[in-house]
Amino acid sequence: DIQMTQSPSSLSASVGDRVTITCQASQDISNYLNWYQQKPGKAPKLLIYDASNLETGVPSRFSGSGSGTDFTFTISSLQPEDIATYYCQQYDNLPVTFGQGTKLEIK
Amino acid sequence: EVQLLESGGGLVQPGGSLRLSCAASGFTFSSYAMSWVRQAPGKGLEWVSAISGSGGSTYYADSVKGRFTISRDNSKNTLYLQMNSLRAEDTAVYYCAKPLWFGDPGGAFDIWGQGTMVTVSS
Repeated sequence: DIQMTQSPSSLSASVGDRVTITCQASQDISNYLNWYQQKPGKAPKLLIYDASNLETGVPSRFSGSGSGTDFTFTISSLQPEDIATYYCQQYDNLPVTFGQGTKLEIK
Repeated sequence: EVQLLESGGGLVQPGGSLRLSCAASGFTFSSYAMSWVRQAPGKGLEWVSAISGSGGSTYYADSVKGRFTISRDNSKNTLYLQMNSLRAEDTAVYYCAKPLWFGDPGGAFDIWGQGTMVTVSS
């Protein structure tokens, strides 16, 4: 199975800050990498697919980049409603696997 | 509106069985492979199983292989997960999820249900 390592596991930032989360795959997954946002008690929401494509309706302050084994997720200007846990997910091979999550809090 | 609605969760004793259902609406259900993803309390996301649009191909995580069976009834637009020999470590919220593109058993999951809680405890 492909292991996905996310960092950091938690992050505290101020409104307006630029926030970056990284995800590393245990092997080359090309660009088969997605990012999700999950708020407490809710289902995950797809934000970015295929490493850098913004899902319809998602604000443009969210972006993704990378290919191969190293990927980055960025919020350009943190908003209060962005408080959530974020997960990366690879789908190059089954089983689909997720990173352990990054819990984002407001400072 | 594209929607997934899970049901069937509950409290079951270790070794017991439970069948989850996921009713789909708002899209051509039979065109899409579908997945189950679970989340143990306070933990991350774990993919459990997937099934092709026709139902002819199924895929499982090693943690559930031989105990869980995924199936679908395209005439009823419904996805199922039959869970047998349940263990405490199966306790989780179970989500059904639709991929962004048809035909891909993995992929990006753009639609999720609200989840149904399964608790395995004596």
